[in-house]
Amino acid sequence: EVQLVQSGAEVKKPGESLKISCKGSGYTFSKYWIGWVRQMPGKGLEWMGIIYPGDSDTKFSPSFEGQVTMSADTSSNTAYLQWRDLQASDTAIYYCARQKFGDYDAFDSWGQGTKVIVSS
Amino acid sequence: DIVMTQSPDSLAVSLGERATINCKSSQSVLYDSNNRNYLAWYQQRPGQPPKLLIYWASTRESGVPDRFTGSGSVTDFTLTISSLQAEDVAVYYCQHYYSSPFTFGGGTRVEIK
Repeated sequence: EVQLVQSGAEVKKPGESLKISCKGSGYTFSKYWIGWVRQMPGKGLEWMGIIYPGDSDTKFSPSFEGQVTMSADTSSNTAYLQWRDLQASDTAIYYCARQKFGDYDAFDSWGQGTKVIVSS
Repeated sequence: DIVMTQSPDSLAVSLGERATINCKSSQSVLYDSNNRNYLAWYQQRPGQPPKLLIYWASTRESGVPDRFTGSGSVTDFTLTISSLQAEDVAVYYCQHYYSSPFTFGGGTRVEIK
Protein backbone atom coordinates (compact mmCIF):
# COMPACT_ATOMS: atom_id res chain seq x y z
CA GLU A 1 0.00 0.00 0.00
CA VAL A 2 1.34 3.41 -0.99
CA GLN A 3 1.65 5.73 1.99
CA LEU A 4 2.94 9.26 2.49
CA VAL A 5 3.45 10.25 6.12
CA GLN A 6 4.16 13.88 6.87
CA SER A 7 5.86 15.47 9.86
CA GLY A 8 3.86 17.04 12.65
CA ALA A 9 2.41 20.50 13.13
CA GLU A 10 4.75 23.43 13.61
CA VAL A 11 4.41 26.80 15.33
CA LYS A 12 7.07 29.30 14.32
CA LYS A 13 7.84 33.00 14.55
CA PRO A 14 8.27 35.30 11.54
CA GLY A 15 11.82 35.19 10.23
CA GLU A 16 12.48 31.66 11.45
CA SER A 17 13.41 28.74 9.22
CA LEU A 18 11.54 25.47 8.84
CA LYS A 19 11.87 22.13 7.09
CA ILE A 20 8.91 19.74 6.90
CA SER A 21 9.06 16.18 5.66
CA CYS A 22 7.07 13.59 3.72
CA LYS A 23 8.13 9.93 3.98
CA GLY A 24 7.01 7.55 1.26
CA SER A 25 6.51 3.81 1.59
CA GLY A 26 4.98 0.95 -0.35
CA TYR A 27 6.54 1.92 -3.69
CA THR A 28 9.88 2.78 -5.32
CA PHE A 29 10.29 6.31 -3.94
CA SER A 30 12.96 7.40 -6.42
CA LYS A 31 10.78 6.74 -9.48
CA TYR A 32 7.71 8.89 -8.80
CA TRP A 33 7.39 12.66 -8.77
CA ILE A 34 6.34 14.15 -5.42
CA GLY A 35 4.46 17.43 -5.25
CA TRP A 36 3.64 20.01 -2.61
CA VAL A 37 0.28 21.74 -2.29
CA ARG A 38 -0.60 24.65 -0.02
CA GLN A 39 -4.00 25.21 1.54
CA MET A 40 -4.34 28.46 3.42
CA PRO A 41 -7.00 28.64 6.17
CA GLY A 42 -10.46 28.26 4.66
CA LYS A 43 -9.10 28.46 1.11
CA GLY A 44 -8.52 26.23 -1.90
CA LEU A 45 -5.59 24.17 -3.10
CA GLU A 46 -2.47 25.80 -4.55
CA TRP A 47 0.09 23.81 -6.53
CA MET A 48 3.57 24.76 -5.34
CA GLY A 49 5.81 22.45 -7.34
CA ILE A 50 7.08 18.92 -7.85
CA ILE A 51 10.37 17.08 -7.44
CA TYR A 52 11.67 13.85 -8.96
CA PRO A 53 13.59 12.13 -6.15
CA GLY A 54 15.70 10.09 -8.58
CA ASP A 55 17.63 13.13 -9.83
CA SER A 56 16.14 16.04 -7.82
CA ASP A 57 14.71 17.63 -10.97
CA THR A 58 12.10 20.20 -9.99
CA LYS A 59 9.26 22.20 -11.50
CA PHE A 60 8.08 25.22 -9.53
CA SER A 61 5.06 27.46 -9.64
CA PRO A 62 6.31 31.02 -10.26
CA SER A 63 4.33 32.00 -7.15
CA PHE A 64 6.59 29.88 -4.96
CA GLU A 65 9.93 29.76 -6.77
CA GLY A 66 12.58 31.42 -4.63
CA GLN A 67 10.30 31.35 -1.59
CA VAL A 68 10.72 27.66 -0.71
CA THR A 69 13.16 24.85 -1.41
CA MET A 70 12.15 21.31 -2.34
CA SER A 71 14.54 18.41 -1.79
CA ALA A 72 14.48 14.63 -1.53
CA ASP A 73 16.62 11.93 0.07
CA THR A 74 16.29 8.55 -1.62
CA SER A 75 18.22 6.81 1.16
CA SER A 76 15.41 7.58 3.61
CA ASN A 77 12.55 7.81 1.05
CA THR A 78 11.77 11.31 2.29
CA ALA A 79 10.89 14.54 0.54
CA TYR A 80 11.31 17.92 2.18
CA LEU A 81 9.89 21.43 1.89
CA GLN A 82 11.98 24.19 3.43
CA TRP A 83 11.67 27.89 4.25
CA ARG A 84 14.55 30.19 5.28
CA ASP A 85 12.48 33.21 6.31
CA LEU A 86 8.93 32.41 7.34
CA GLN A 87 6.19 35.01 7.12
CA ALA A 88 2.73 35.10 8.67
CA SER A 89 1.36 34.54 5.17
CA ASP A 90 3.00 31.08 5.16
CA THR A 91 0.42 29.93 7.71
CA ALA A 92 -1.31 27.02 6.00
CA ILE A 93 -1.64 23.28 5.71
CA TYR A 94 0.96 21.79 3.37
CA TYR A 95 0.27 18.51 1.64
CA CYS A 96 2.70 16.28 -0.17
CA ALA A 97 1.32 14.04 -2.89
CA ARG A 98 2.66 11.46 -5.36
CA GLN A 99 2.07 11.71 -9.09
CA LYS A 100 0.62 8.58 -10.68
CA PHE A 101 3.32 7.85 -13.25
CA GLY A 102 5.11 10.55 -15.19
CA ASP A 103 6.03 14.18 -14.73
CA TYR A 104 2.69 15.26 -16.25
CA ASP A 105 0.15 13.38 -14.20
CA ALA A 106 -2.44 13.54 -11.43
CA PHE A 107 -1.72 13.11 -7.72
CA ASP A 108 -2.92 9.64 -6.71
CA SER A 109 -1.71 9.45 -3.11
CA TRP A 110 -1.64 12.24 -0.54
CA GLY A 111 -0.03 12.78 2.84
CA GLN A 112 -2.16 13.74 5.82
CA GLY A 113 -0.93 17.34 5.73
CA THR A 114 1.38 19.40 7.95
CA LYS A 115 -0.13 22.44 9.63
CA VAL A 116 2.26 25.37 9.84
CA ILE A 117 1.40 28.38 11.98
CA VAL A 118 3.60 31.47 11.80
CA SER A 119 2.83 34.00 14.47
CA SER A 120 4.71 36.44 16.63
CA ASP B 1 -0.16 29.93 -16.59
CA ILE B 2 -3.40 28.09 -17.31
CA VAL B 3 -6.26 29.41 -15.19
CA MET B 4 -8.90 26.91 -14.05
CA THR B 5 -12.36 28.33 -13.34
CA GLN B 6 -14.96 26.24 -11.56
CA SER B 7 -18.68 26.85 -11.32
CA PRO B 8 -20.73 27.08 -9.27
CA ASP B 9 -18.84 27.99 -6.11
CA SER B 10 -21.31 25.91 -4.13
CA LEU B 11 -24.42 23.86 -4.67
CA ALA B 12 -26.99 22.11 -2.52
CA VAL B 13 -28.53 18.91 -3.85
CA SER B 14 -31.09 16.54 -2.36
CA LEU B 15 -29.99 13.03 -1.49
CA GLY B 16 -30.28 10.79 -4.53
CA GLU B 17 -30.32 13.69 -6.95
CA ARG B 18 -27.69 14.67 -9.53
CA ALA B 19 -24.90 17.16 -8.87
CA THR B 20 -23.03 18.79 -11.74
CA ILE B 21 -19.78 20.72 -11.39
CA ASN B 22 -18.13 22.60 -14.24
CA CYS B 23 -14.49 23.42 -14.85
CA LYS B 24 -13.12 25.61 -17.62
CA SER B 25 -9.47 26.01 -18.52
CA SER B 26 -8.09 29.23 -20.01
CA GLN B 27 -6.42 27.25 -22.78
CA SER B 28 -6.62 23.74 -24.17
CA VAL B 29 -5.40 20.88 -21.96
CA LEU B 30 -5.81 18.34 -24.76
CA TYR B 31 -2.46 16.95 -25.90
CA ASP B 32 -2.85 16.24 -29.62
CA SER B 33 -0.16 13.55 -29.86
CA ASN B 34 -1.97 11.16 -27.51
CA ASN B 35 -5.50 12.64 -27.57
CA ARG B 36 -5.56 12.88 -23.80
CA ASN B 37 -7.01 15.68 -21.72
CA TYR B 38 -4.62 16.46 -18.87
CA LEU B 39 -7.36 17.10 -16.32
CA ALA B 40 -8.09 15.56 -12.90
CA TRP B 41 -10.84 15.86 -10.30
CA TYR B 42 -10.35 15.60 -6.54
CA GLN B 43 -12.68 15.35 -3.57
CA GLN B 44 -11.77 16.92 -0.24
CA ARG B 45 -13.97 16.01 2.69
CA PRO B 46 -13.86 18.26 5.77
CA GLY B 47 -10.61 17.85 7.68
CA GLN B 48 -9.18 15.40 5.17
CA PRO B 49 -6.55 15.57 2.44
CA PRO B 50 -7.79 15.58 -1.14
CA LYS B 51 -8.57 12.30 -2.86
CA LEU B 52 -8.18 11.60 -6.57
CA LEU B 53 -11.49 10.74 -8.25
CA ILE B 54 -10.91 11.14 -11.99
CA TYR B 55 -7.84 11.53 -14.22
CA TRP B 56 -7.39 12.00 -17.98
CA ALA B 57 -10.72 13.86 -17.65
CA SER B 58 -12.83 10.71 -17.61
CA THR B 59 -10.90 7.77 -16.13
CA ARG B 60 -12.19 6.80 -12.71
CA GLU B 61 -9.52 6.06 -10.11
CA SER B 62 -9.58 2.56 -8.66
CA GLY B 63 -12.16 2.23 -5.88
CA VAL B 64 -14.12 5.35 -6.81
CA PRO B 65 -17.87 4.68 -7.00
CA ASP B 66 -19.34 4.70 -10.48
CA ARG B 67 -21.78 7.48 -9.55
CA PHE B 68 -18.82 9.82 -10.19
CA THR B 69 -18.32 10.57 -13.89
CA GLY B 70 -15.93 12.94 -15.60
CA SER B 71 -16.55 14.29 -19.07
CA GLY B 72 -15.53 17.04 -21.45
CA SER B 73 -12.58 17.92 -23.63
CA VAL B 74 -10.21 20.71 -24.66
CA THR B 75 -11.27 23.52 -22.30
CA ASP B 76 -14.64 22.51 -20.84
CA PHE B 77 -15.08 19.73 -18.32
CA THR B 78 -17.76 18.39 -16.01
CA LEU B 79 -17.87 16.21 -12.92
CA THR B 80 -21.24 14.58 -12.37
CA ILE B 81 -22.39 12.80 -9.24
CA SER B 82 -25.36 10.83 -10.50
CA SER B 83 -27.06 10.14 -7.17
CA LEU B 84 -25.76 12.20 -4.27
CA GLN B 85 -24.97 10.32 -1.08
CA ALA B 86 -24.38 11.81 2.38
CA GLU B 87 -20.68 10.90 2.19
CA ASP B 88 -20.29 13.02 -0.96
CA VAL B 89 -20.50 16.25 1.06
CA ALA B 90 -17.14 17.78 0.23
CA VAL B 91 -15.30 20.38 -1.81
CA TYR B 92 -14.42 19.27 -5.33
CA TYR B 93 -11.44 20.58 -7.27
CA CYS B 94 -10.35 20.25 -10.86
CA GLN B 95 -6.66 20.43 -11.75
CA HIS B 96 -4.83 20.47 -15.06
CA TYR B 97 -1.43 18.85 -15.52
CA TYR B 98 -0.80 19.95 -19.10
CA SER B 99 2.02 22.39 -18.41
CA SER B 100 3.74 23.65 -15.27
CA PRO B 101 2.34 25.08 -13.03
CA PHE B 102 -0.39 22.44 -12.66
CA THR B 103 -3.00 24.78 -11.26
CA PHE B 104 -6.19 23.88 -9.42
CA GLY B 105 -9.63 25.38 -9.82
CA GLY B 106 -11.08 27.36 -6.94
CA GLY B 107 -13.25 24.50 -5.72
CA THR B 108 -16.97 23.74 -5.57
CA ARG B 109 -18.62 22.99 -2.24
CA VAL B 110 -21.35 20.34 -2.40
CA GLU B 111 -23.93 20.18 0.39
CA ILE B 112 -27.17 18.35 1.08
CA LYS B 113 -30.37 20.28 0.47
